[in-house]
Amino acid sequence: KNEVEQSPQNLTAQEGEFITINCSYSVGISALHWLQQHPGGGIVSLFMLSSGKKKHGRLIATINIQEKHSSLHITASHPRDSAVYICAARYGNKLVFGAGTILRVKS
Amino acid sequence: DAGITQSPRYKITETGRQVTLMCHQTWSHSYMFWYRQDLGHGLRLIYYSAAADITDKGEVPDGYVVSRSKTENFPLTLESATRSQTSVYFCASSRESNEQFFGPGTRLTVL
Repeated sequence: KNEVEQSPQNLTAQEGEFITINCSYSVGISALHWLQQHPGGGIVSLFMLSSGKKKHGRLIATINIQEKHSSLHITASHPRDSAVYICAARYGNKLVFGAGTILRVKS
Repeated sequence: DAGITQSPRYKITETGRQVTLMCHQTWSHSYMFWYRQDLGHGLRLIYYSAAADITDKGEVPDGYVVSRSKTENFPLTLESATRSQTSVYFCASSRESNEQFFGPGTRLTVL
């Protein structure tokens, strides 16, 4: 069974802190996706990566294929980063999702 | 330029009734997906479609029916709604092997 594990489940940070969310998957994948879901419910794709590292603004995503592990980093966190962050492993054209990490950034 | 839309956004129905959730995308994406999101389970794939008239089951297809007669539409039907189908339903679309774009979601309550 394809499984995706995320940690931590909940994370509270102070504004300005460096944040890391981790994601592990059980078998070989074609890509790893990071998604963001705000309290209003909308889901936005942040990154799709199959190797190495990608950066967009203050967000950085990395993946280690050999270790079957990906991380999402947020630098200089801000209260507007408060959301649920979800990783998803892509097998063919289907996504298997982690349970999500609830991030709260306090000012 | 609406992108991907879902209707209705909120629906309350009773056990045993048939309900259809609509999904429409304006990008001509070949792939479309239906997910449900529940506390404790995260997002789970119900059905997906690779093109018009091509559909396939996901992780939790029981109790649901889909069709895709046109590329832009992918309706999801609950033939006889049950309380366990109370959930938030998300539709998504993508080009092959690309990031998925999600609709705003439909919150369905089955009484």
